[in-house]
Amino acid sequence: GNSVTQMEGPVTLSEEAFLTINCTYTATGYPSLFWYVQYPGEGLQLLLKATKADDKGSNKGFEATYRKETTSFHLEKGSVQVSDSAVYFCALRDDKIIFGKGTRLHILP
Amino acid sequence: DAGVIQSPRHEVTEMGQEVTLRCKPISGHNSLFWYRQTMMRGLELLIYFNNNVPIDDSGMPEDRFSAKMPNASFSTLKIQPSEPRDSAVYFCASSSRTGGSLGSPLHFGNGTRLTVT
Repeated sequence: GNSVTQMEGPVTLSEEAFLTINCTYTATGYPSLFWYVQYPGEGLQLLLKATKADDKGSNKGFEATYRKETTSFHLEKGSVQVSDSAVYFCALRDDKIIFGKGTRLHILP
Repeated sequence: DAGVIQSPRHEVTEMGQEVTLRCKPISGHNSLFWYRQTMMRGLELLIYFNNNVPIDDSGMPEDRFSAKMPNASFSTLKIQPSEPRDSAVYFCASSSRTGGSLGSPLHFGNGTRLTVT
């Protein structure tokens, strides 16, 4: 069946550091790919998405490119802020949405 | 738009009691999803509906769990009887399922934190 694997956390970085959170997937067909973010006490919020191969999703300085050849959708940000501290989920959709286990990100001032 | 609305935000109950969680999806959305989140298992899909019809309930843990969607603006998740291992945060999410549906994101409510003692 379809699945999503993302790097385990927690990830701790200093403010202004470069961020990469790895995500790979297995799927039959051509799913859409998403990154969601969850802040404490809240539900998940869409961060960015890509619907076909080579698409790049971007939002709030975050980017991810849909790589079909490597079945990956890694999340990157050039300079993180303390306010980026949250849990990040990679997900794919081929009707229902399947989430990775989440990666907790902690940014130190 | 008010977003997805879940109630209650917190529920504390004793083992053996019936628990009912409620969800109002975003108006116009025709797919609804129930998820459970725990530290150990992460985010698990329990069941989802398209146009009020249950499509996949393979994630429902056991017969103690049931979900209904009597109309497009309301859904319930019921646990009867509840057990301590059901303690978790339960999220409802809705989505559009019209053209290009695979690219339509889910919109989550803020969840119900259930504690069964």
